[in-house]
Amino acid sequence: QSALTQPASVSGSPGQSITISCTGTSIDIGAYNFVSWYQQHPGKAPKLMIYDVRNRPSGVSNRFSGSKSGNTASLTISGLQAEDEADYYCSSYTISSIVFGPGTKVTVL
Amino acid sequence: EVQLLESGGGLVQPGGSLRLSCAASGFTFTTYAMTWVRQAPGKGLEWVSTFIASGGISYYADSVKGRFTISRDNSENTLFLQMSSLRAEDTAVYYCAKGAWNYLNYFDYWGQGTLVTVSS
Repeated sequence: QSALTQPASVSGSPGQSITISCTGTSIDIGAYNFVSWYQQHPGKAPKLMIYDVRNRPSGVSNRFSGSKSGNTASLTISGLQAEDEADYYCSSYTISSIVFGPGTKVTVL
Repeated sequence: EVQLLESGGGLVQPGGSLRLSCAASGFTFTTYAMTWVRQAPGKGLEWVSTFIASGGISYYADSVKGRFTISRDNSENTLFLQMSSLRAEDTAVYYCAKGAWNYLNYFDYWGQGTLVTVSS
């Protein structure tokens, strides 16, 4: 099964925008528009933030947006807030399986 | 309100077995794929297995194939994960997750997880 890569950490000041990249291959991100993003606070269960590359579930702030180009997907958080400090995981469908990225720790300075 | 409640975790010796359960409520259980995802202490998320609602189709990560078996009881709205030949590297919090559709894609609801510790 394939692996996705993410930066270990990204930081920003309140109000700024940050972008987390998620790089896969031609058999996962590059092949399907089935990229999702999850937010996880310490000791809590993951929460779906983006699905199918760019769609937001009901209740998720429009400060979160997703995109994809080739084998790389991205999550952008605009107007960074203290509550956004968490781990973020990308995920993609691949052949008969799901693959997660290693996670990116977002720090609000 | 969708609720997923995992149970069955605990301490087990290497080579042992354990059965996890996930009681689901708040949605039509028979309509959606259900999945187990695990997270080793201090590590990231790892997809383990998915059971499609119809047709009895299941998928497994290579790391658990042949050792773990996923199943579901649609009459009891419960998902199971039978784990055998457990190894130290199986130590993790195991999350039950609801698929947004009846195929392998993203997960819109998650349980709070149950901890499995494999140690002698």
